[in-house]
Amino acid sequence: EVQLLESGGGLVQPGGSLRLSCAASGSTFSSSAMSWVRQAPGTGLEWVSAISDNGGSTYYTDSVKGRFTIFRDNSKNTLYLQMNSLRAEDTAVYYCAKGIFAEGAAYWGQGTLVTVSS
Amino acid sequence: QSALTQPASVSGSPGQSITISCTGTNSDVGGYDYVSWYQQYPGKAPKLVISEVSNRPSGVSNRFSGSKSGNTASLTISGLQAEDEADYYCCSYTSRRTYVFGTGTKVTVL
Repeated sequence: EVQLLESGGGLVQPGGSLRLSCAASGSTFSSSAMSWVRQAPGTGLEWVSAISDNGGSTYYTDSVKGRFTIFRDNSKNTLYLQMNSLRAEDTAVYYCAKGIFAEGAAYWGQGTLVTVSS
Repeated sequence: QSALTQPASVSGSPGQSITISCTGTNSDVGGYDYVSWYQQYPGKAPKLVISEVSNRPSGVSNRFSGSKSGNTASLTISGLQAEDEADYYCCSYTSRRTYVFGTGTKVTVL
């Protein structure tokens, strides 16, 4: 069974940085595209970023372009999201999801909370 | 990229059928058969209930069905049950090679 476990969330000041990790179990990580999705408190879901199976292609929503970087280490079965220049509006629970998002993400982590506040 | 439009709430009695709409544009919902639907309980991760407009993943009840016409996709829940009370989100691939979620719909079982 596929399991995804996010970590790295916490409280950070505006303008600060944080790196999220998503550790995946199972042997199919290196052949799977991965995504990050976030949900601000009391609001809906927002797709943030995606990466191809080999890391060669990356995609971002406009609001995080130039500030966030998605990357992966297939030898460690781990997905990352490096978040720089954080803003209050980046406050959210961040989920990682496995698979080509266009085909539907069947596996999600439990989420990690990022709070950007002074 | 603006969120896809969903009704804020839909309700129904047990056993009834309800339909949730998801309206986008030619650049997302109308342009691709890559619309999925997610169910989310409070404090929990989303769960995929429909992929690629109308495909139901293994393990998802056959009471859930999806369709699309033009720029509007729809999720129908038939034989409504108390356990169906949750938030539902549509999601579409876009022409910018990104994804956009819907505004979300709260389903209430009366």
